[in-house]
Amino acid sequence: DTAVSQTPKYLVTQMGNDKSIKCEQNLGHDTMYWYKQDSKKFLKIMFSYNNKELIINETVPNRFSPKSPDKAHLNLHINSLELGDSAVYFCASSQYQSDSGNTIYFGEGSWLTVV
Amino acid sequence: AQKVTQAQTEISVVEKEDVTLDCVYETRDTTYYLFWYKQPPSGELVFLIRRNSFDEQNEISGRYSWNFQKSTSSFNFTITASQVVDSAVYFCALETYNTDKLIFGTGTRLQVFP
Repeated sequence: DTAVSQTPKYLVTQMGNDKSIKCEQNLGHDTMYWYKQDSKKFLKIMFSYNNKELIINETVPNRFSPKSPDKAHLNLHINSLELGDSAVYFCASSQYQSDSGNTIYFGEGSWLTVV
Repeated sequence: AQKVTQAQTEISVVEKEDVTLDCVYETRDTTYYLFWYKQPPSGELVFLIRRNSFDEQNEISGRYSWNFQKSTSSFNFTITASQVVDSAVYFCALETYNTDKLIFGTGTRLQVFP
């Protein structure tokens, strides 16, 4: 049973389109994230949500809008896709433990290609 | 400012060799956490280890070992008797207390040849 699952795994779409990536975690974690990995493999956080509330928004363009209907789901909607949005998007989740901190578990990634 | 540096972009070894991946971090916080993740060719990110800043004990897990040294701000990762399945990109990451976000290094691509 996959702990953090995201769909679709591969997405090819044209510039200007709107697309969504869905993410679900079955770990019972309170916090969920979206990270972006660019073509040079550089990983950077985009958003984090804690119990459906936005905590981190790392100066991501407004075209990117996360939505958390409940604490087990964090979807990413992207409007007016641009070529530069081509990347791998990773969903992740974590649960803070007072004695051991956070361990962030990642989904398998969604490969987005904008043509 | 927080920063993670993985100076080795790519390392190639032959199976059964030992290999060490370097990680140097920068932070002014006294409480922080260090991580290693593995990204195999299939693309997923696999958690390997977390270390908190108060625990400098080295850790060994099978063929993997980690050396955390606060004096040099380093958290190096050694694979003993490497195998072809170890071929992957390995990321070191830093999380400072109460920030809930990982700051990643640029990754080291390890290729293990048979």
